[in-house]
Amino acid sequence: SQQGEEDPQALSIQEGENATMNCSYKTSINNLQWYRQNSGRGLVHLILIRSNEREKHSGRLRVTLDTSKKSSSLLITASRAADTASYFCATDAKDKVIFGPGTSLSVIP
Amino acid sequence: DVKVTQSSRYLVKRTGEKVFLECVQDMDHENMFWYRQDPGLGLRLIYFSYDVKMKEKGDIPEGYSVSREKKERFSLILESASTNQTSMYLCASRRTGTANYGYTFGSGTRLTVV
Repeated sequence: SQQGEEDPQALSIQEGENATMNCSYKTSINNLQWYRQNSGRGLVHLILIRSNEREKHSGRLRVTLDTSKKSSSLLITASRAADTASYFCATDAKDKVIFGPGTSLSVIP
Repeated sequence: DVKVTQSSRYLVKRTGEKVFLECVQDMDHENMFWYRQDPGLGLRLIYFSYDVKMKEKGDIPEGYSVSREKKERFSLILESASTNQTSMYLCASRRTGTANYGYTFGSGTRLTVV
């Protein structure tokens, strides 16, 4: 089964609202990464959080990591229509990165 | 602007053809990867390479081979294309080392085998 599993599978919100996506994983990791993919395009790296970090910010993005619960969350604040995309978490362990199935986010103008 | 370039956005090939998907990166990254992405299955690793002339099988290597003759170029080869290889193919590269780095992805090649 997948190392990383995002939740929910799909999320629809109004512009200006916050969007929260969660990722759970099974084994120890070196770091956890979040990516965005616009329809039909490649993935874009958003943020990386190391296993010894608990929270990280980048612009409107906030990522948390709880290694005791083997989970991470991605918060997008003040969402915009341009944030509509699929979001993937990827766990990095032993030189192998495994991607979760993704969360599809729709931001309605 | 650093980037990973995949030679084709869309390809249509016939069953049985030998298909080459090319990927070039300009970041001097040691590690390069080929994934395929299918609805409901996410990204699956086909092959990866840690250095020139080195290659490692990923999770689904059957039906594929790769070539890395130069550091910047990583080619995926479908020896005899089949309809079940219709997919989005994504190339990625990553810097190696003890620090943690993310992947840089190309824009993808959507391959249709008819």
